[in-house]
Amino acid sequence: AQTVTQSQPEMSVQEAETVTLSCTYDTSESNYYLFWYKQPPSRQMILVIRQEAYKQQNATENRFSVNFQKAAKSFSLKISDSQLGDTAMYFCAFMKGGGGADGLTFGKGTHLIIQP
Amino acid sequence: ETGVTQTPRHLVMGMTNKKSLKCEQHLGHNAMYWYKQSAKKPLELMFVYSLEERVENNSVPSRFSPECPNSSHLFLHLHTLQPEDSALYLCASSPPGQGEDTQYFGPGTRLTVL
Repeated sequence: AQTVTQSQPEMSVQEAETVTLSCTYDTSESNYYLFWYKQPPSRQMILVIRQEAYKQQNATENRFSVNFQKAAKSFSLKISDSQLGDTAMYFCAFMKGGGGADGLTFGKGTHLIIQP
Repeated sequence: ETGVTQTPRHLVMGMTNKKSLKCEQHLGHNAMYWYKQSAKKPLELMFVYSLEERVENNSVPSRFSPECPNSSHLFLHLHTLQPEDSALYLCASSPPGQGEDTQYFGPGTRLTVL
């Protein structure tokens, strides 16, 4: 079984600052995917970024980037130039690879607050 | 908007009621999922359907009964629920093809059991 740990229940930064959310995971799988999802107060779960474990290059999506350390089983999310709209719960999630329909294993989430 | 819709958005029911949650997607996805999000707990996978066949049931109590009549629709039938079943129920879908693993979520149904 897989586990995902997010050790920061809540973080608060000023607008325009850079913030890093941490995530570690444990698995015996060699083929898997990692995700960061954002859940704003509207409760809609939105995909932020996706990383394939077999790719060494870190994924980036505009202001969002990850630091994927496979050996350390670490998958942190960096948000640059943070904006008020980034305020949300952020969930790290794991999924086994293989092409089948597998569910996601989620961490408990980090509540990120962007202060004006 | 992810293209996954859920109805109703809010539901209040008594412990003896029978109700159903509906999820719909017209994205061409062939896998659909139910998750439960309770306060202070990580999201929990409840059911997985792939090509309309159930492939996973994470020891969910029988008072929750899923149904997937076609690849675009997923239901969660509820009966004789308990107050601890109050939660946000999220539906997700994912596209076919190896490597296309990203799940897209609906807005959820907020369920309150009295």
